[in-house]
Amino acid sequence: SQTIHQWPATLVQPVGSPLSLECTVEGTSNPNLYWYRQAAGRGLQLLFYSVGIGQISSEVPQNLSASRPQDRQFILSSKKLLLSDSGFYLCAWSVTSYYEQYFGPGTRLTVT
Amino acid sequence: ILNVEQSPQSLHVQEGDSTNFTCSFPSSNFYALHWYRWETAKSPEALFVMTLNGDEKKKGRISATLNTKEGYSYLYIKGSQPEDSATYLCAPISGSARQLTFGSGTQLTVLP
Repeated sequence: SQTIHQWPATLVQPVGSPLSLECTVEGTSNPNLYWYRQAAGRGLQLLFYSVGIGQISSEVPQNLSASRPQDRQFILSSKKLLLSDSGFYLCAWSVTSYYEQYFGPGTRLTVT
Repeated sequence: ILNVEQSPQSLHVQEGDSTNFTCSFPSSNFYALHWYRWETAKSPEALFVMTLNGDEKKKGRISATLNTKEGYSYLYIKGSQPEDSATYLCAPISGSARQLTFGSGTQLTVLP
């Protein structure tokens, strides 16, 4: 069966510090991968998605970036965090963009 | 980015009550609609993927209908139970967008 892992579960970082969140999927090949963010009091916002290794599409311009160095690994990064980057970050995978998505446990990021 | 509206924003019902909520989305270039349930401290979980006008899906006490011509979907819960308490998210996909756009959700609280 397929499983999706995300870490860390929680993170408190000062403004201006770098960020690296990692997501890995097991039990499937060539999945579509997604990064979402839920800011306080708001809905789920798609940040990045990837349909293959090295292929990243950005939905919202910001100071975040994503990379997919391996088929089942998706990384969300920032060189310098802003206060507005605080939120709950979810990684998800799907067979294709039209099929249901399976979400990881999420990372709660607080930028102080 | 699609304009997705969910109503009501929040809802409190008594155990045993039946309830329903609405998801509105642009009807043009429709491809599919997803419904997810997001319980506190957990990850969103897929409920239904609907594609055809007039589609009706059911899972236990939860069912959903789809009207692609007028751009809405209803989610029904029959005989609500406290464990149904969650935020219910809808997410349409248009043929051009190819990715989910989540609504802000309906937060349901079922009181025992």
